[in-house]
Amino acid sequence: EVVLTQSPDFQSVPPKEKVTITCRASQIIGSSLHWYQQKPDQSPRLLIKYASQSISGVPSRFSGSGSGTDFTLTINSLEAEDAAVYYCHQSSSLPYTFGQGTKLEIK
Amino acid sequence: EVHLVESGGGLVQPGGSLRLSCAASGFPFSGYWMTWVRQAPGKGLEWVASIKQDASEKFYVDSVKGRFTISRDNAKNSLYLQMNSLGDEDTAVYYCARDGYGDYFDLWGQGILLTVAS
Repeated sequence: EVVLTQSPDFQSVPPKEKVTITCRASQIIGSSLHWYQQKPDQSPRLLIKYASQSISGVPSRFSGSGSGTDFTLTINSLEAEDAAVYYCHQSSSLPYTFGQGTKLEIK
Repeated sequence: EVHLVESGGGLVQPGGSLRLSCAASGFPFSGYWMTWVRQAPGKGLEWVASIKQDASEKFYVDSVKGRFTISRDNAKNSLYLQMNSLGDEDTAVYYCARDGYGDYFDLWGQGILLTVAS
């Protein structure tokens, strides 16, 4: 099973700052890594697919990078509405797995 | 507009059974893999099961193998999860999700709560 470890677990950042969340896989997964945002009491929402591909309707301040075992989600110019838990997810091998989540608070 | 709407959740006693349903609309349901993902209270996301477009392939997380069965009815644009021998560890919000190319989950339902308790 591929274990995904996100860091940090929690981050508090002022608006307009840049945020970086990392996801490390326990084995090589190529680019089969996707990012989701889950706001309180809402369903998850796909932000980035295949490590760096953008999703229609997602603000351009969200971007992803990485391949192999190390991946990054970057949020440029943070906005109040970005307060949420962010999860990475791998589809390289079954069972599909998620990272433990990173809670982002806006100061 | 595209939608996924889950139903069938509720309170079940340990050892009991329940079937969740997910009604899809606004997109060609038969053209997509579909998936169930769950989230225990205050916890992260856990993939549960996925099913291919024609139901010829089904995959499960080890913890539900032999207890849960994923199925679909393309004529009714519906996805199902039959859950048997339920335990406390199955208490969670269950989401159905559209599975883009069998990889990423690009459309999610609102979720349905299953509580297993006596």
